[in-house]
Amino acid sequence: QQQVKQSPQSLIVQKGGISIINCAYENTAFDYFPWYQQFPGKGPALLIAIRPDVSEKKEGRFTISFNKSAKQFSLHIMDSQPGDSATYFCAAHYTGTASKLTFGTGTRLQVTL
Amino acid sequence: EPEVTQTPSHQVTQMGQEVILRCVPISNHLYFYWYRQILGQKVEFLVSFYNNEISEKSEIFDDQFSVERPDGSNFTLKIRSTKLEDSAMYFCASKSGGDTQYFGPGTRLTVL
Repeated sequence: QQQVKQSPQSLIVQKGGISIINCAYENTAFDYFPWYQQFPGKGPALLIAIRPDVSEKKEGRFTISFNKSAKQFSLHIMDSQPGDSATYFCAAHYTGTASKLTFGTGTRLQVTL
Repeated sequence: EPEVTQTPSHQVTQMGQEVILRCVPISNHLYFYWYRQILGQKVEFLVSFYNNEISEKSEIFDDQFSVERPDGSNFTLKIRSTKLEDSAMYFCASKSGGDTQYFGPGTRLTVL
């Protein structure tokens, strides 16, 4: 019940295209859903996050869509750029004092010229 | 911008040896975490620490692991007797009272 499932495992998108990464969760106690971006040899860095009381959040070229009834959320990267090439992890936690993050399995995105 | 720092960036050790991984969390943060990432796999939670005690630990965090906040700035992870399967990237993270956890750059541990 603690799992977060992520797909696809890898994704190749042309420059200017839309990258879409999907995640699904089981634990209905989860109430905070961040996306992390990780470059090789670096730690995960927060990209954008959402709470289940909204269905969409947009920050620049990055949008999270959230479907509470389906227990699914997705990351859309508009106008994808070569600099977006990285591994993306969805994650989830439930609000608590020191609540741990449960990560998805990651998506390796490659944006080609 | 404040950031989480970790030392060393790469640690090579022999199986059975003790290692200590060090982290300096962001200065006003209250919650501290260790995660690990085996090469090519997802990031896995190890332990959370708040108010000078462990808040939660995973199944991975067995008796060979311990954490300590020896002073007001450092947060350490000790592995008493390393195994081959402990080879991974170890990430420290910290947060204030909010939701966002900030990750350090990681320590690559190689057990030979």
